[in-house]
Amino acid sequence: DTGVSQDPRHKITKRGQNVTFRCDPISEHNRLYWYRQTLGQGPEFLTYFQNEAQLEKSRLLSDRFSAERPKGSFSTLEIQRTEQGDSAMYLCASSPRTGLQETQYFGPGTRLLVL
Amino acid sequence: AQSVTQLGSHVSVSEGALVLLRCNYSSSVPPYLFWYVQYPNQGLQLLLKYTTGATLVKGINGFEAEFKKSETSFHLTKPSAHMSDAAEYFCAVSDLGSNYQLIWGAGTKLIIKP
Repeated sequence: DTGVSQDPRHKITKRGQNVTFRCDPISEHNRLYWYRQTLGQGPEFLTYFQNEAQLEKSRLLSDRFSAERPKGSFSTLEIQRTEQGDSAMYLCASSPRTGLQETQYFGPGTRLLVL
Repeated sequence: AQSVTQLGSHVSVSEGALVLLRCNYSSSVPPYLFWYVQYPNQGLQLLLKYTTGATLVKGINGFEAEFKKSETSFHLTKPSAHMSDAAEYFCAVSDLGSNYQLIWGAGTKLIIKP
């Protein structure tokens, strides 16, 4: 396994700009999760996919946020019209199967700074 | 709603001393419990997890945790701290009510004094 990868690792943008992050899960993992993490806090769930289907979205995910996983492999998270409050670490994780006991494997994260 | 409480945002121990990081959860059904570690500027890595069976769970890097249902706790311990253990530790829980989501604690930063 090459692990979960995320790109870019860091992103600085100006308020009002759009940004897109990419996540490549571990091969053949059918579940993919997006989280947001701010300093001093645990991860906050944003959304998850079972293959290409987006099964749940947190209320944290305003209409400025959209996520896709078009072929059930990599996923993108787009934030439109960024705000300073969007500054955070965005984490992606994947798991091999459906199940409450399944381990989620995390990528290194994308750190976003909105100026 | 489920919640996870980690007592102490920062814990400081001397190298070689016992590490104890506390985690309490609220769940009305048997939960699955996880401890993850996060090193600076890195993602989270699973240390150990409890699903069923033996309540004392051993993980990587010499860590272990014990599930105590009566106390709704899942505290993380290591007999002897090493400088490389300095990191942030997160407790998380999932159960039938969480719809496959992990519910996370706020984390405890472990500081190792030489």
